[in-house]
Amino acid sequence: GAVVSQHPSRVICKSGTSVKIECRSLDFQATTMFWYRQFPKQSLMLMATSNEGSKATYEQGVEKDKFLINHASLTLSTLTVTSAHPEDSSFYICSAPGRGAVDEQFFGPGTRLTVL
Amino acid sequence: QKEVEQDPGPLSVPEGAIVSLNCTYSNSAFQYFMWYRQYSRKGPELLMYTYSSGNKEDGRFTAQVDKSSKYISLFIRDSQPSDSATYLCAMSKAAGNKLTFGGGTRVLVKP
Repeated sequence: GAVVSQHPSRVICKSGTSVKIECRSLDFQATTMFWYRQFPKQSLMLMATSNEGSKATYEQGVEKDKFLINHASLTLSTLTVTSAHPEDSSFYICSAPGRGAVDEQFFGPGTRLTVL
Repeated sequence: QKEVEQDPGPLSVPEGAIVSLNCTYSNSAFQYFMWYRQYSRKGPELLMYTYSSGNKEDGRFTAQVDKSSKYISLFIRDSQPSDSATYLCAMSKAAGNKLTFGGGTRVLVKP
């Protein structure tokens, strides 16, 4: 199946710094990617839809100026958490829909962000 | 009320038993239904995918969708300790569209 990678897998930063997370589709092109956030023992919550060549679509309650999304190419989307605070500490996961007969969404392995 | 409801568990079963999981949803626009398995600190892995109502079987896994009742199920036969994980149901309104997840059910299969 298709593979989605994320980098870094884990990041620890100080409060007030910005952190960039990359999501790559390794063997297929993705015009759309999705970014989710998952708090401990909770489910995945969609943050935004990343669209190649256009602005991202954010879910209600998600600050677009804080969570900057750039879909730079058909294989790369980045999420930048600006001026991170401890409450932003979470597990961030991206996904991309495949192009097979099945509408399968392939998930990355996730990035664990800890803000001190 | 959440769009997708799922019992958080934990659900503890002995090895070899059948694991029964389910989700209910409120939005009749959902057409695509999925079950994902997620191990701790890992990304979700697709187990089953179903379009509209019906049953689907794949190895030890059987997925059922009843759109009239807005109810979906996943059954795992001959459960193994390696099946211990969190199982998430997810659904979408269109192909390639964003997914709405249930809260996840934690399953523990005891040897």
